[in-house]
Amino acid sequence: KQEVTQIPAALSVPEGENLVLNCSFTDSAIYNLQWFRQDPGKGLTSLLLIQSSQREQTSGRLNASLDKSSGRSTLYIAASQPGDSATYLCAVSGDRGSTLGRLYFGRGTQLTVWP
Amino acid sequence: NAGVTQTPKFQVLKTGQSMTLQCAQDMNHEYMSWYRQDPGMGLRLIHYSVGAGITDQGEVPNGYNVSRSTTEDFPLRLLSAAPSQTSVYFCASSYSGALEAFFGQGTRLTVV
Repeated sequence: KQEVTQIPAALSVPEGENLVLNCSFTDSAIYNLQWFRQDPGKGLTSLLLIQSSQREQTSGRLNASLDKSSGRSTLYIAASQPGDSATYLCAVSGDRGSTLGRLYFGRGTQLTVWP
Repeated sequence: NAGVTQTPKFQVLKTGQSMTLQCAQDMNHEYMSWYRQDPGMGLRLIHYSVGAGITDQGEVPNGYNVSRSTTEDFPLRLLSAAPSQTSVYFCASSYSGALEAFFGQGTRLTVV
């Protein structure tokens, strides 16, 4: 069974810092990996999607990398801002059999960026 | 473009009552799924569908029922609500298993 782990569980940093969130998964048979943002009481907003054949994706101050063979992904946030405060979730999509298209989530990293 | 729409946003049920959580998407997505989110547990898959007429169980299907009669709609039925079903429920859709998943805003359900 696919297990997704996110480290750290919580992170508090001052504004302007560059930071890295980590995600690991146990089964490399994945279609893709997605990073989501969730604000309190809200739904999930997709930030970046990396296909299994890709190594990284960038969107603005966000950069996500994927090392499928080692089962790891990182989300890099440059020049953090208070508006980045949220919970960041990592999810992988299965690519075969009963796992096809299913998302497996980590428990998230709760990020606080203080002014 | 509405995306994924869930109704209601909030609901309080008494133990033993039944209800249906609605989910609709207007993006012509084949894949739709239901997750529940509980503190300390992350999101867990309840049921999913890879197209109209096709559904399958996820990780925590007991106490829930689904059907997919159209591409657009994927309702989740609670047959006899229990306090253990108190949770936030999210519906998601994607064009295929390889593409980006879009989530609704969630339904916060409390069973007393």
